[in-house]
Amino acid sequence: DIQMTQSPSTLSASVGDRVTITCRASQNINNYLAWYQQKPGKAPKLLIYKASSLETGISSRFSGSGSGTEFTLTISSLQPDDFAIYYCQQYNTYRRTFGQGTKVDIK
Amino acid sequence: EAQLLESGGGLVQPGRSLRLSCVGSGFSFEDFGVHWVRQVPGKGPEWVSGISWNSDSIAYADSVKGRFTISRDNAKNSLYLEMNSLRVEDTALYYCAKDLSIYGVVEARPSDVFDIWGQGTMVTVSS
Repeated sequence: DIQMTQSPSTLSASVGDRVTITCRASQNINNYLAWYQQKPGKAPKLLIYKASSLETGISSRFSGSGSGTEFTLTISSLQPDDFAIYYCQQYNTYRRTFGQGTKVDIK
Repeated sequence: EAQLLESGGGLVQPGRSLRLSCVGSGFSFEDFGVHWVRQVPGKGPEWVSGISWNSDSIAYADSVKGRFTISRDNAKNSLYLEMNSLRVEDTALYYCAKDLSIYGVVEARPSDVFDIWGQGTMVTVSS
């Protein structure tokens, strides 16, 4: 299976900060990469798919980029509602795999 | 509003069986592939199994192949997961989730993302 590695594991930031999370795949996944946000006690929520396509209803302060094996999720101006865990997921194969997560907490 | 609602979780001894159910509402359940995804608290999600809209395409993770069986009943807007020979390492929160795109094939390459998730049902395997 394709391994997904996120960095950092934890990120401390303040409201208004620009935040960037990186996700690396163990092999080329083209641009079949999604990002999810998960809050405590809730299911993951789809933010971005196909590396840079914003899911309907998601704020434009979230953006994604990358291709091949390296991808990034950027939050342009961190809001109080954005403190959560973020996961990347590859879907280049049917055996979809997720990263281990990046926790964004309050500095 | 599209929703998925799981049920059937609980505490079970190793080697025993459990059946999970998931009911969809607010969307055309019969038109979408649906999946089971599990998550151990503090870890990333793990895809377990998926079934296409018409049940023609089914796939499993290696960790559950031969022990778990996925099925669906479109007349009841329902998805099921029959879990046999349960192991301690199957302990997790089990979510059902639907494909973003209509009429997908589970073993397609590329596959699809999950746009709607249920709230999850906890399965604990312990003696």
